[in-house]
Amino acid sequence: SAVISQKPSRDICQRGTSLTIQCQVDSQVTMMFWYRQQPGQSLTLIATANQGSEATYESGFVIDKFPISRPNLTFSTLTVSNMSPEDSSIYLCSVDAGTSGLGNEQFFGPGTRLTVL
Amino acid sequence: RKEVEQDPGPFNVPEGATVAFNCTYSNSASQSFFWYRQDCRKEPKLLMSVYSSGNEDGRFTAQLNRASQYISLLIRDSKLSDSATYLCVVNKPGTYKYIFGTGTRLKVLA
Repeated sequence: SAVISQKPSRDICQRGTSLTIQCQVDSQVTMMFWYRQQPGQSLTLIATANQGSEATYESGFVIDKFPISRPNLTFSTLTVSNMSPEDSSIYLCSVDAGTSGLGNEQFFGPGTRLTVL
Repeated sequence: RKEVEQDPGPFNVPEGATVAFNCTYSNSASQSFFWYRQDCRKEPKLLMSVYSSGNEDGRFTAQLNRASQYISLLIRDSKLSDSATYLCVVNKPGTYKYIFGTGTRLKVLA
């Protein structure tokens, strides 16, 4: 399994500001994903981070609000822009563990707990 | 109908009990199924994949019923440390994406 780290682990931010979350993997992976988990809820996929191209966003999520970078096969960032209290959540990055094909398990980073005041 | 549906619980069971969770999925073309465990304020961790023939890992048994479109997780001889939320995960056919259920909370009581 991949070892995934995220920074920061938590933050408290003022509304209207932006926060960039970093995700680092200890091996090269093709597929990286960003999820949000709001209090008491399950995980919702925000976007798939593609190396060398723009991220692919899910319905309800847009690039202006959640810009993503994927400069190489071991690293990605997610920015939460112009934050409001509704953005308070845990943000998780994950990687597809497989070497080929679909249907592989995903492994998750420890998450970033964001509180927006 | 939700894409992945689970009973949120909580299931409160005594130590040593056997407990089973079901999860239904709506897309019959889904091919990959997993159970993840999530402890409070932690990230989800893979518990086990679910194979067509069913699979067992120690006290945990996972089964797939394609005809009725559900997967199950059976935990035997429950331990206090089994207390967690169990997430059912199903792949979105033709993609690398996964759909997560809302989770079933299990509390094992001493």
